[in-house]
Amino acid sequence: AQSVTQPDIHITVSEGASLELRCNYSYGATPYLFWYVQSPGQGLQLLLKYFSGDTLVQGIKGFEAEFKRSQSSFNLRKPSVHWSDAAEYFCAVAFTGGGNKLTFGTGTQLKVEL
Amino acid sequence: GAGVSQSPSNKVTEKGKDVELRCDPISGHTALYWYRQRLGQGLEFLIYFQGNSAPDKSGLPSDRFSAERTGESVSTLTIQRTQQEDSAVYLCASSAQPPGELFFGEGSRLTVL
Repeated sequence: AQSVTQPDIHITVSEGASLELRCNYSYGATPYLFWYVQSPGQGLQLLLKYFSGDTLVQGIKGFEAEFKRSQSSFNLRKPSVHWSDAAEYFCAVAFTGGGNKLTFGTGTQLKVEL
Repeated sequence: GAGVSQSPSNKVTEKGKDVELRCDPISGHTALYWYRQRLGQGLEFLIYFQGNSAPDKSGLPSDRFSAERTGESVSTLTIQRTQQEDSAVYLCASSAQPPGELFFGEGSRLTVL
């Protein structure tokens, strides 16, 4: 069965520092990969997605992610974090042949220190 | 409306009662998903509807849970004989062309006393 692992439950960074959130998936087929953000009191919002092509994808709010097939990873990055980036981040995956079911990871809670 | 609409936004019920949660997806979206999010946890897949295809019910935790969708419109998630462990936020999402971007509603927060 398809699964998504976000190994970091909580991450704290200083404002202005760089950020990398890890995401690994398991399954054998071609993945469709997503990152969503859930801010306090707000709904889930798509940051970026990867379907095919260039493995480095750009998203909203200055985020980017890189798909590495050899590592089954899709890590989210931002060069300089802003205090407003404090939120919960979810990686999600769907697979061709998997019926389009979107499976989410357990999330990484980001705290930004001023 | 422009977005995914869910009702009720909050529901408090007594253990053993049945509850019904409603989701009105974005017009024209063929795919509709239900997820459960327990406090401080991730999104747990419940069920997925795509057009007229048979729904993927693989995430429903027990036979107390059921969901229906009429065509490509409103969906209802029903929980029978609620238990305290059913307390969670139930999120609905729709998508125009899966596995594309999911648009989420604000969720229905269920509290079972």
